Amino acid sequence: DSGVTQTPKHLITATGQRVTLRCSPRSGDLSVYWYQQSLDQGLQFLIQYYNGEERAKGNILERFSAQQFPDLHSELNLSSLELGDSALYFCASSGPTGGEQETQYFGPGTRLLVL
Amino acid sequence: AQKVTQAQTEISVVEKEDVTLDCVYETRDTTYYLFWYKQPPSGELVFLIRRNSFDEQNEISGRYSWNFQKSTSSFNFTITASQVVDSAVYFCALSEEEYGNKLVFGAGTILRVKS
Repeated sequence: DSGVTQTPKHLITATGQRVTLRCSPRSGDLSVYWYQQSLDQGLQFLIQYYNGEERAKGNILERFSAQQFPDLHSELNLSSLELGDSALYFCASSGPTGGEQETQYFGPGTRLLVL
Repeated sequence: AQKVTQAQTEISVVEKEDVTLDCVYETRDTTYYLFWYKQPPSGELVFLIRRNSFDEQNEISGRYSWNFQKSTSSFNFTITASQVVDSAVYFCALSEEEYGNKLVFGAGTILRVKS
């Protein structure tokens, strides 16, 4: 158990809908990262937050957004869902600097299926 | 540009065999970090090791060992006396100082250990 929690574990929804994925980092970690794992794209970095502020952005679609709250949990919002958004979404955390020298510990993931 | 190549898509071995998973990376940075993660059938990503670019010392942890060679830009992972529980997808990843703590993952190698 990495100490990173993600809810829900599974999510089934329809095209055009909006969903919210939630992540709680390990105790003491200030950085939260979101990754998408799909069959065609592999594991891809989406976005990083550090202590409430966006720090780095990857290949995140405009339909997707994220935020990190004062209690350091993070939410990833996916809207106008398409079939191709079906994937496993991971949250990871690291701390205390959010720098490249820190190891990221991953949560169990949320498996999203868009029908 | 960052790039991680895991040329072996899938490897099958019989229990107790040794197996080496290859990882080749590309980077222009002099400061970078390399990682290995394991993804068992249950789906979570489990951190195995982190190595920085200034430390070429090989590492051994139980049945696991890692060989880092900057001259060939490789960071290979060997499992000695493989066990069925080692069956998983193994990912090599790279983070560079220039790009913050974003992890760039290889495509992964599926390891199947048969009894």
